[in-house]
Order: sequence, then structure tokens, then C-alpha cells
Amino acid sequence: NAGVTQTPKFQVLKTGQSMTLQCAQDMNHNSMYWYRQDPGMGLRLIYYSASEGTTDKGEVPNGYNVSRLNKREFSLRLESAAPSQTSVYFCASSADNTGELFFGEGSRLTVL
Amino acid sequence: KQEVTQIPAALSVPEGENLVLNCSFTDSAIYNLQWFRQDPGKGLTSLLLIQSSQREQTSGRLNASLDKSSGRSTLYIAASQPGDSATYLCAVHSGGGADGLTFGKGTHLIIQP
Repeated sequence: NAGVTQTPKFQVLKTGQSMTLQCAQDMNHNSMYWYRQDPGMGLRLIYYSASEGTTDKGEVPNGYNVSRLNKREFSLRLESAAPSQTSVYFCASSADNTGELFFGEGSRLTVL
Repeated sequence: KQEVTQIPAALSVPEGENLVLNCSFTDSAIYNLQWFRQDPGKGLTSLLLIQSSQREQTSGRLNASLDKSSGRSTLYIAASQPGDSATYLCAVHSGGGADGLTFGKGTHLIIQP
């Protein structure tokens, strides 16, 4: 009953370091998403992928890149981390027929 | 642009009470509306999904209603329990892809034992 799985759950980076957040879903969904959640700001869409091989920018894409590796996996990369990227990152996927969203447990990232 | 508001931002009630959480949206042309629960330090758990053609959905002690004409959805929780304490978020999908999804900022609910 895995659903959406994200790794790592916690990460501390120094300014300028790079890292990749991994996400995988086992529900055979076409659409996958990356959100960030910050206090007072709510959930904001970073990037999404409507199908394997396609990606699109969301509301806050600057400083991030994504890769839709296959239908299951959608990764988020920070090339040069900045303190403003300290946040909780959520991966999600949505059911093709109903649009119901399913979220991972989140990845807490701190950039010093 | 769709705006989603959840009022109140926080609510504290004694155990056993029935309660209603509110979600309002500005554009009635929606595809669906989804209610989530988020526990501290955890992800969002889907509670109920209402399609635009539906008026309500029920799951156990939870009932969600949708009134598109007035731009409102309510989440009714019957016989509240301390385990219901969490933040409840609604998300409105206005169509047009992933950027058509708008989240409210949530209602932080505390059920007092």
C-alpha cells in the first residue's frame, strides 16, 4: 500500500550545494506534481508532469529542475541551494479518471 | 484567478461535538473539490473528493457538501474525537491542468478531551 513515496525525509544543505528529491508512485497515474509548503503561504506548485516525457512550470519554478524519469518516478533537483528554499516539499500524483490527488509524506529541507 | 478561503483559521471544541469547517471559492466553474487532513509533520491525506456534478460525499463520520452557485463547500464532522485534531485543507480544481488547482490555507482543528 505504498502510494506516493518520497526520499529523503530530511536533509540539511549548505548554501550552494545541490541535491535531488526523489518521488515514486505505484498507482499508475499519469500526472505527478511537486509542491512546497511554507508557513503562511500554503501549498505552492513548483513543477508538474502531465505524462511521461512532459514537464511544466508551476507557480514557483525558479531555482528548481525536474525530471520525469518514467511513469512512476518524478524527481526535483536543486542545483544551487539557497536559504529561501528551506521548506517542506511534497510530491503528489492524481488519478486519471477522477483527478483525486494523493500526496507523499514530505521532505523537510533546511538550507543553511 | 480562483481564490480559496478557509474560515476559521483555527478552531478548538470539546470532544463529542458536531462541527462544520468551511471552504469558499470565488469562481464557481470548478472540476472538483477535495478535502484533506494534515497531521503535524506529515503529508496530506485525502478525505473526500466531490466532483462538480455531485452535491455531497460521505465517509464514516465525515460529510462534505458542495454548492457551486454560492461558491461554498462544508466539511461536517460528527461526534468529534481527539484523534480528529489536525489541519484540514480544501483544494479546488478549476480545470486547465495542474495549475488549475488552488489550495486553501487550512483550518487548524483541536478537539479537547
